[in-house]
Amino acid sequence: SYELTQPPSVSVSPGQTASITCSGDKLGDNYVCWYQQKPGQSPVLVIYQDTKRPSGVPERFSGSSSGYTATLTISGTQAMDEADYYCQAWDSSTAVFGGGTKLTVL
Amino acid sequence: QLQLQESGPGLVKPSETLSLTCTVSGGSINNSSYYWAWIRQPPGKGLEWIGNFYFTGSTYYNPSLKSRVAISVDTSKNQFSLKLRSVTAADTAVYFCARLDRGENWFDPWGQGTLVTVSS
Repeated sequence: SYELTQPPSVSVSPGQTASITCSGDKLGDNYVCWYQQKPGQSPVLVIYQDTKRPSGVPERFSGSSSGYTATLTISGTQAMDEADYYCQAWDSSTAVFGGGTKLTVL
Repeated sequence: QLQLQESGPGLVKPSETLSLTCTVSGGSINNSSYYWAWIRQPPGKGLEWIGNFYFTGSTYYNPSLKSRVAISVDTSKNQFSLKLRSVTAADTAVYFCARLDRGENWFDPWGQGTLVTVSS
């Protein structure tokens, strides 16, 4: 079955840039979405189609994709950005989520 | 503003059927631009897609669950439902419903989620 691989955890200091990667052998042919999930809350869409940001999502969130790796970048990371982040892509008509990355803002 | 709300029993016995309903408010479930989806998250673990439903009746299921799952819709109540048969402890999870955009394929918004525990 298709898998998306994320690092389990990423740490960043406030004000610095955090990068979370998502790799999969079909990502070159498929767009990636990114979701933010804070403890006890439901996920929220922060990036879709690799690079697009929904209205209401802060500009410090950006996405990119190259080859088989997509990256979520948070510039000027704030304490409120501490959360779990999940990438998601499609394999034909099947949605696949990455295992999630816990972002810690130290 | 579109909102989704899950409802159903919080406790189901092993081998029985899990049944949940998602009520959509602030928009129509008949909107041709969207699918409607179920996603679950075992405690402390990641997200797992269960399946999508389109108001015309088309359904798409996770291959790993396909033999046990059914998603249906009640357009008169603006609701869609999930049934998962023959549950085990491995089906214990928070179950989310969500809207899925047909064109850009994103899930948004999500319901608040409901915890279903499988235990005797």
